[in-house]
Amino acid sequence: QKEVEQNSGPLSVPEGAIASLNCTYSDRGSQSFFWYRQYSGKSPELIMSIYSNGDKEDGRFTAQLNKASQYVSLLIRDSQPSDSATYLCAVNPYSSNTGKLIFGQGTTLQVKP
Amino acid sequence: EAQVTQNPRYLITVTGKKLTVTCSQNMNHEYMSWYRQDPGLGLRQIYYSMNVEVTDKGDVPEGYKVSRKEKRNFPLILESPSPNQTSLYFCASRRVGRQHYGYTFGSGTRLTVV
Repeated sequence: QKEVEQNSGPLSVPEGAIASLNCTYSDRGSQSFFWYRQYSGKSPELIMSIYSNGDKEDGRFTAQLNKASQYVSLLIRDSQPSDSATYLCAVNPYSSNTGKLIFGQGTTLQVKP
Repeated sequence: EAQVTQNPRYLITVTGKKLTVTCSQNMNHEYMSWYRQDPGLGLRQIYYSMNVEVTDKGDVPEGYKVSRKEKRNFPLILESPSPNQTSLYFCASRRVGRQHYGYTFGSGTRLTVV
């Protein structure tokens, strides 16, 4: 079992719709969770972090964490063509704060005008 | 501007010829890390460092060396590169804190070993 799993997609949504991206992780001791966006040929860019169960909203983005189910999701409201990118879920897999950060393989999102 | 700077951006080299990819950050971050990204395999952590002279292996350390003699610099060394080290490499840094704050990434180095 991979430590961090994402559906590779592509996930295709029409402009203005809600895009829902999902991620599961295997280490129950994980405490820190992140969503990165990566445009083709560019470096990953941190867009959301979440540490507690529940929802965290930042503009059009909402991160959701359910530690009991070992599940993290990212919702993008009012999706725009400029949101088309690969979204990477990342998890610090230990209960202690270390330098380790494990990434899923990413989900490709396509927002169609 | 706060940033992580890697050099070179592109590098083509031959098997066995030692090379160093430099990484520098100007944010006074304690933690630094190297990742490689390959199609179908995603981003995989090579090494990370939690402070000067403190380094630890990530998931794919074989064939790589790192050093952290200064807080701002974290070079990646390939003593004897092989074709399977052809990849896109990213350096990253983050500040220390009670929680893991997530890494800020450099622009990447595309390495080809022939």
